[in-house]
Amino acid sequence: AQKVTQAQTEISVVEKEDVTLDCVYETRDTTYYLFWYKQPPSGELVFLIRRNSFDEQNEISGRYSWNFQKSTSSFNFTITASQVVDSAVYFCALSYILTGGGNKLTFGTGTQLKVEL
Amino acid sequence: DTGVSQDPRHKITKRGQNVTFRCDPISEHNRLYWYRQTLGQGPEFLTYFQNEAQLEKSRLLSDRFSAERPKGSFSTLEIQRTEQGDSAMYLCASSSRSNQPQHFGDGTRLSIL
Repeated sequence: AQKVTQAQTEISVVEKEDVTLDCVYETRDTTYYLFWYKQPPSGELVFLIRRNSFDEQNEISGRYSWNFQKSTSSFNFTITASQVVDSAVYFCALSYILTGGGNKLTFGTGTQLKVEL
Repeated sequence: DTGVSQDPRHKITKRGQNVTFRCDPISEHNRLYWYRQTLGQGPEFLTYFQNEAQLEKSRLLSDRFSAERPKGSFSTLEIQRTEQGDSAMYLCASSSRSNQPQHFGDGTRLSIL
């Protein structure tokens, strides 16, 4: 069975602070993908990043960076110099390959990020 | 590039009524997914279509739920004899290939009186 745990329910930071969102996952698959999505108050889930299980290279994209460690089954996400517009719920998700090649996403319960002035 | 479109945005109905939601995926995407999200939770997978074929259904999808994608383009999700527990946000997503990011619509928020 697949499982995603986001232990942080809510995080509050002051603008310009760096913030890291934690994600721990469980899977028996040897090949899988991990995702981060953002859900602002408007409700739409917005794709942020994707990482496959074979690539543990950590990357930076603008103010976003991620740390994927297969040994600890963690896929943490960092926002540098946070801004008020970053306030949203952030979801980590793990994919499972379905019949016909689709992929079912298993989401964590989300972390509410509040960035204040 | 138009995104995933869902209609209606909000639906309020009385318990026991039938409701139908529509999803228009991104035009070149042949994979379409339905998820359900309740307050304070992440989305939960309901069902998956590749073109017009429904290839996977979650056990969350009781026999009161039915989804179709008749011509491999838009999809509908119908709930018959709605119950209080059906109150949730119903999200549709589409993607082009396996493990490509799924792009989500704004969702349909269902409230059962």
